[in-house]
Amino acid sequence: TQLLEQSPQFLSIQEGENLTVYCNSSSVFSSLQWYRQEPGEGPVLLVTVVTGGEVKKLKRLTFQFGDARKDSSLHITAAQPGDTGLYLCAGGGGSNYKLTFGKGTLLTVNP
Amino acid sequence: EAQVTQNPRYLITVTGKKLTVTCSQNMNHEYMSWYRQDPGLGLRQIYYSMNVEVTDKGDVPEGYKVSRKEKRNFPLILESPSPNQTSLYFCASSSDSSGNTIYFGEGSWLTVV
Repeated sequence: TQLLEQSPQFLSIQEGENLTVYCNSSSVFSSLQWYRQEPGEGPVLLVTVVTGGEVKKLKRLTFQFGDARKDSSLHITAAQPGDTGLYLCAGGGGSNYKLTFGKGTLLTVNP
Repeated sequence: EAQVTQNPRYLITVTGKKLTVTCSQNMNHEYMSWYRQDPGLGLRQIYYSMNVEVTDKGDVPEGYKVSRKEKRNFPLILESPSPNQTSLYFCASSSDSSGNTIYFGEGSWLTVV
């Protein structure tokens, strides 16, 4: 069974600070996704990375896929209260649509 | 508007009483799946389907059944619910196997007493 470990599990910061969330595994994934989930709602896909070393940016969010495709990071610059939520990473094994999720990082950005 | 619709959103039921959670998507997606989300355990895949009449087990299939008779619908069936199936359930659909265009439903809170 493939496992994804996310760290930190909880993160509380002040508005304007920068932060990085990590997603690590001993397994290789064909793709890795990041989601944000707000209370009472389903996860919303933020980005998919598929190539080792790939970097994608989404406004103040920067996503990186490790060279060996076993890990990923999410960096948020100048965090805002609207960034508050549960951030999930999920790894895909290829064509069989089987996704493995990490347990998530609960981010709170205080005004 | 792209939608994945789950029903019911909230349900309290008793042990052993069969129930079905419906899931419907309006995007003509081939891929659909069911997850459960539990505190400390995260999201775990129950079953997934790659097309009509094609389904496969995820990580935690025990106690659940699914069917995919139509492309748009993917119901989750609990034949004999038990308290350990109390959870938040999500249905998801995607147009491709990598999940690049995946959409999740709003979730179904299920309590089995």
